Amino acid sequence: DAGVIQSPRHEVTEMGQEVTLRCKPISGHDYLFWYRQTMMRGLELLIYFNNNVPIDDSGMPEDRFSAKMPNASFSTLKIQPSEPRDSAVYFCASSRLATNNEQFFGPGTRLTVL
Amino acid sequence: KNEVEQSPQNLTAQEGEFITINCSYSVGISALHWLQQHPGGGIVSLFMLSSGKKKHGRLIATINIQEKHSSLHITASHPRDSAVYICAVQASGSRLTFGEGTQLTVNP
Repeated sequence: DAGVIQSPRHEVTEMGQEVTLRCKPISGHDYLFWYRQTMMRGLELLIYFNNNVPIDDSGMPEDRFSAKMPNASFSTLKIQPSEPRDSAVYFCASSRLATNNEQFFGPGTRLTVL
Repeated sequence: KNEVEQSPQNLTAQEGEFITINCSYSVGISALHWLQQHPGGGIVSLFMLSSGKKKHGRLIATINIQEKHSSLHITASHPRDSAVYICAVQASGSRLTFGEGTQLTVNP
């Protein structure tokens, strides 16, 4: 398996623009997680899905952030409008309940908002 | 006080030394994870444990549920072990709460 795939790997945008990050989980995994990592706050869970349904979105910072999982093989994290403080590395991870939910991380998307 | 505290924050060792990284947490958990993040940024899950001890190669992870404490040990450390090691606890559902990480540098 190719592992968790994220795109783009790097994104530079200007404040106010819409940003869409994409994730393809490992086939057969039923959990998908979106994390954000910054120097100030470290790793934080934003939202996670189980069988394409959002379970816990309490980490989503504000209404500018939204996440969807239209099917088992694809998820998006959207920021609209983006702000400089959204600059971070965004990781997607997936796991399978049958293997005790060990999480496999994607390579991350480094977002810079100017 | 953070729910997950790691120590030390930074650790420098000489190749071959035995290394211990500690993690303390303040909530009831169903599992504890140790992750490794390399300088390139990729994150790899090393261990997930809910009791006792696990070993993988030169890495050993232990957990004491009563004391709410876990340790990650590296035997015969090598420069390629240089990375950030992150402890994370799984309390409710599948949500992970992360420690701040320990930056390990192993010098040849």
